[in-house]
Amino acid sequence: IQLTQSPSSLSAYVGDRVTITCRASQGISSFLAWYQQKPGKAPKLLIYAGSTLQSGVPSRFSGSGSGTDFTLTISSLQPEDFATYYCQQLNSYPLTFGGGTKVEIK
Amino acid sequence: EVQLVESGGDLVQPGGSLRLSCAASGFTLTNYSVNWVRQAPGKGLEWISYIDDSTYTIYYADSVKGRFSISTDNAKNSLYLRMNSLRAEDTAVYYCARVKVGWYALIDLWGQGTLVTVSS
Repeated sequence: IQLTQSPSSLSAYVGDRVTITCRASQGISSFLAWYQQKPGKAPKLLIYAGSTLQSGVPSRFSGSGSGTDFTLTISSLQPEDFATYYCQQLNSYPLTFGGGTKVEIK
Repeated sequence: EVQLVESGGDLVQPGGSLRLSCAASGFTLTNYSVNWVRQAPGKGLEWISYIDDSTYTIYYADSVKGRFSISTDNAKNSLYLRMNSLRAEDTAVYYCARVKVGWYALIDLWGQGTLVTVSS
């Protein structure tokens, strides 16, 4: 299952609303997760099952979608949110990840 | 503290071998299924192997099948990745990654990673 993320990068101001999309090559119901990765660090789980917030993750992060089209939204971008975001399908092995979206400061 | 700690990364020549280790603490590793995921410098995440001791299930990505071998050691609460016939394209940070209980593929805990460099 191939995952296509867009955009591959974006620039935004603190306080902006940011949306990242992930499209699967076939239907995966809600079997999708989102991870955040900062430079030199391991990925961190943000959202799973399409829209379930992982414990401890701020509520400004939200996920939506099912089937083939999914969205990660950051409602008000904070300085600590500048990072690279990856989607991952949870439907089957081989596990696959999207190519990543790098969120940079404008 | 619940954590995974990888070790064993090194500089190795093409065609060489290496064994990576991943030590779990704060939980019993064999109660979970576990993956190895790698990330080449400046690139995205690539899944390479999965093991579930409870069902004797092992998977490999096509890119490493026949060259890499995943295993666990209950007594040492550790996961391993034996890598043979290494190639330049295997250069990456290698992460061990635990699957959340009750899930098939959701990763809820990652190690800090260990760097493997394949170069002459």
